[in-house]
Amino acid sequence: GALVYQYPRRTICKSGTSMRMECQAVGFQATSVAWYRQSPQKTFELIALSTVNSAIKYEQNFTQEKFPISHPNLSFSSMTVLNAYLEDRGLYLCGARGQGNTEVFFGKGTRLTVV
Amino acid sequence: GEQVEQRPPHLSVREGDSAVITCTYTDPNSYYFFWYKQEPGASLQLLMKVFSSTEINEGQGFTVLLNKKDKRLSLNLTAAHPGDSAAYFCAVRDWTGGYKVVFGSGTRLLVSP
Repeated sequence: GALVYQYPRRTICKSGTSMRMECQAVGFQATSVAWYRQSPQKTFELIALSTVNSAIKYEQNFTQEKFPISHPNLSFSSMTVLNAYLEDRGLYLCGARGQGNTEVFFGKGTRLTVV
Repeated sequence: GEQVEQRPPHLSVREGDSAVITCTYTDPNSYYFFWYKQEPGASLQLLMKVFSSTEINEGQGFTVLLNKKDKRLSLNLTAAHPGDSAAYFCAVRDWTGGYKVVFGSGTRLLVSP
């Protein structure tokens, strides 16, 4: 079946440092990968949508300078949170979709704590 | 762009009662709808996916209704039990192939014995 793995599952970083998180698709080709953030007690905000061989599209309030994303092939994507501060804490979710698929497969997320 | 409104934000019911969560959306091109459950500290668990061609879908202990005319999607948990206590999110995706999924704001359900 189609699975999406995210790692690390939990991480803690010091304020002002950076944290890289990874997303791996297994069992299908991840043509599109979306990264979401769920801040404490909030919903899931789309950070950016990455499609292989296309430019990465960032949503309002999120920038490449803050959340650089790499999507080098059909099974892997990574995102870095640069200069993390308290407001960056939360659950970061990766959702991947294959060409022609309706369903988005989500990983279990990376929970970021900033201290 | 698509906007999804979810109500209520918090819901408390007793065991055995039903619980109804509703989402309204704005984009008439929306074609795929999803309900997710998120238990405390955990990630998303897909409960059901609904295509716009189907109006009523039944799962284990719940029913999903889609009213395309009113652009309304609802999740009805019948005979809720304490294990249903969690946050529930609706999500909407359009048909245009861009695959942007927009989540509702979430409903925190508490089922007490």
